[in-house]
Amino acid sequence: EDQVTQSPEALRLQEGESSSLNCSYTVSGLRGLFWYRQDPGKGPEFLFTLYSAGEEKEKERLKATLTKKESFLHITAPKPEDSATYLCAVQESGGGADGLTFGKGTHLIIQP
Amino acid sequence: GAGVSQSPSNKVTEKGKDVELRCDPISGHTALYWYRQRLGQGLEFLIYFQGNSAPDKSGLPSDRFSAERTGESVSTLTIQRTQQEDSAVYLCASRKGGGGETQYFGPGTRLLVL
Repeated sequence: EDQVTQSPEALRLQEGESSSLNCSYTVSGLRGLFWYRQDPGKGPEFLFTLYSAGEEKEKERLKATLTKKESFLHITAPKPEDSATYLCAVQESGGGADGLTFGKGTHLIIQP
Repeated sequence: GAGVSQSPSNKVTEKGKDVELRCDPISGHTALYWYRQRLGQGLEFLIYFQGNSAPDKSGLPSDRFSAERTGESVSTLTIQRTQQEDSAVYLCASRKGGGGETQYFGPGTRLLVL
């Protein structure tokens, strides 16, 4: 069973059309939830870290929120340069492996 | 350096050959990770180094995979007797340690096994 599930798999928006990406997770204890952006042929670029339910973080047109079961990445008035794959990852607490567990990503396309 | 660097950026090899991938972490980062990203799949954790502690090898898929790290600097990931299913992007990440949680990724090495 997947620990991190992202939806939708792909999303096509018009420039300026706001939307949200979802990341649902199932871990016994959450140490941190991470959002990354990945452009084709490049490594993931860090966006946000969230640690506890109710936490929110913003950067330009992006805002990430966290509940006990899921996180949302809200994109407000997106531009074509926001087109990328957005990755969500979790890190479990409790002394398990330190590596992140990633979802498969949401491929976002913003059309001008 | 300014960011995590990896080499080579691309590698094509024949089935059965050994390959060695290199990662140079951000200066001062004590933690280093290797991940694999196969087409259509999420990133998979492979191995984790933290300072001089024994590495966490829990994600290595088989004994053909191994990794080394010299102190808190360069790491090499070695894949022996490569198979076609090893074709993937291999990503390295480093983390500051001492409470810093964020992992910063390199550009990856794209490995194709023919």
